[in-house]
Amino acid sequence: EAGVAQSPRYKIIEKRQSVAFWCNPISGHATLYWYQQILGQGPKLLIQFQNNGVVDDSQLPKDRFSAERLKGVDSTLKIQPAKLEDSAVYLCASSLNGRGVTGELFFGEGSRLTVL
Amino acid sequence: TQLLEQSPQFLSIQEGENLTVYCNSSSVFSSLQWYRQEPGEGPVLLVTVVTGGEVKKLKRLTFQFGDARKDSSLHITAAQPGDTGLYLCAGALDSNYQLIWGAGTKLIIKP
Repeated sequence: EAGVAQSPRYKIIEKRQSVAFWCNPISGHATLYWYQQILGQGPKLLIQFQNNGVVDDSQLPKDRFSAERLKGVDSTLKIQPAKLEDSAVYLCASSLNGRGVTGELFFGEGSRLTVL
Repeated sequence: TQLLEQSPQFLSIQEGENLTVYCNSSSVFSSLQWYRQEPGEGPVLLVTVVTGGEVKKLKRLTFQFGDARKDSSLHITAAQPGDTGLYLCAGALDSNYQLIWGAGTKLIIKP
């Protein structure tokens, strides 16, 4: 079974530029998560989708971050414009369980963003 | 704001020693998960504990969920270099199943 796929693995941009990350979850997984992980810290949830609907985006900086999950399968996360403090690893995860149940999260390898 | 505190933040020990890391909160969790993350990779689930007082063993790793379902511990016996990594706990809130993450314990096992 294929795991969670993310791209690109690495991205270096200058502040005020834009960047987009792509995630393809495990087939059949209803729930998709985007996390931001700053070096030395635990993952911080940015947005959670249930199929193609948003369950939780309370910690998403909506003035610069956006995410979509068209057709309830793959997802993109965009940052525009980027700030220095956005330098982090962006992790995508998926889980089989629906809303109201917390099961195992399967993570991709992450996309490491460096903002100069 | 619900917090999940992990301690210690960093631990470096010799191969063969035993260690315990902790995960504590004032919130009640319906379940608690432990993940291990290696450099350049995403976290991988080690175990999920659900019942207060539950103890689960995974080879040399022993996981315990507190009786009140507010805390958990991970004990490693005879640590090996392959145990090196970032250990993360994540609790599902009893109220809405929202997953709360700790900041992690970075563990280094020296040969």
